[in-house]
Formats: sequence, C-alpha cells, structure tokens
Amino acid sequence: QSALTQPPSASGSPGQSVTISCTGTSSDVGGYNYVSWYQQHPGKAPKLMIYEVSKRPSGVPDRFSGSKSGNTASLTVSGLQAEDEADYYCSSYAGSNNSVFGTGTKVTVL
Amino acid sequence: QVQLQESGPGLVKPSETLSLTCAVSGYSISSGYYWGWIRQPPGKGLEWIGSIYHSGSTYYNPSLKSRVTISVDTSKNQFSLKLSSVTAADTAVYYCARRTVFGRWFDPWGQGTLVTVSS
Repeated sequence: QSALTQPPSASGSPGQSVTISCTGTSSDVGGYNYVSWYQQHPGKAPKLMIYEVSKRPSGVPDRFSGSKSGNTASLTVSGLQAEDEADYYCSSYAGSNNSVFGTGTKVTVL
Repeated sequence: QVQLQESGPGLVKPSETLSLTCAVSGYSISSGYYWGWIRQPPGKGLEWIGSIYHSGSTYYNPSLKSRVTISVDTSKNQFSLKLSSVTAADTAVYYCARRTVFGRWFDPWGQGTLVTVSS
C-alpha cells in the first residue's frame, strides 16, 4: 500500500481558511468512509482532529471540518489562528484491518 | 482517561531486534479495541506498522510484515512490538495508539519514543 498524497505545504493569514487535500485510491480513501485527520505540533504526538471523514471529537473547534469526494478527502481550517500552525496528516482504512497515512502537510499561519 | 506509554531501548544495533512495550492505563485491553504501532522517521511522515486486536489477531503493514511481531499481554495490560533485522532506516519515533473497531481512527496516542539504530 502506498502513502496517501498530500501537498507538502499550505498557508494562510490569520482569519483566513486553508484546505488540505488527501488523495488515495478506491482501495482506501474512495472505498471507505473511514478517513481521519491528525494535527502534530513539533515534538508532540499526533492529535485526532477529524474521524469518519467529517466528525469532530469533543474539544476540537468547529473551525476544523472534513469532507470527501471520490478518492480525495479534504480538511478545511477556517478562521486560521496562530495555534493552528502544525503538521497535518490524513489516514484511511485500507481494508483487511490495514491503515495508511498521508505524506503530511505543513500549515503555516502567515 | 485512557493513557498509553511506550518504553524500551533508545539505541539498537544494526541487524538486531528492536523491542518496545506500550503500557495502557485507564482501560482494560481485554475489553476490546485494536492497539497499534505507528512510527515517524526524523523529519518525515507517519507510517502504520501494525495493529493487534484484544483477542490477539494481528495485522501488519505489508512492507514490514516479514520483520514485525506484535503481541498482547492482557495480564499486564500492555502490548509489544518486535522489529527484527533493523537498519538505519528503522530509526524513528515509535508511537503506540488505540484504534477503534468500527471507525478505524487512532486515539489516544502515546507520547512516542525515539529509537536510533546505530553501531
């Protein structure tokens, strides 16, 4: 299984929105509604931000939203804040209890 | 709340076996869920290594399958990772995490432990 493809970087000014794509295949992203997104600050463990494509865990601001179309999932961060600057990774179920992660996107708040 | 903590040697010699343990607190492993290992080479992205169900069924990344063994010890409420024949490419921060049965997401995660492969 190959890593899901994400853009290396994305940026936006405070208050703006940024959208990160996560492209896979019909064997992972396109085949299941089991896409999750993780935020990782430097030196820290990843933190779950979105699960099952578009659901937010308790405590995650509603500025974070997820969606999926075909083999591509997306994470949108609206109303960017300084603390949103981090690396973001998508993950998808890939069948037979396998998981696959994305290549990661560094979000910079200008 | 559920907490996970990785432990094990921080330095492993090439060709030897990397061994790590993940201690779980706040939840009994035997009650359910999958339990997984994920790694992150310095400056690089996340890679799923494998997962184990509380019953002991295991699932491995095809690219690592020949070298990976994950086991669970419900009496100690912990699960373990063994990666054989390591090389410098296996140098990474290794995380353990709980994976849901149906939604397939990982949460929570341990803080991670850096394992360096070097002679």
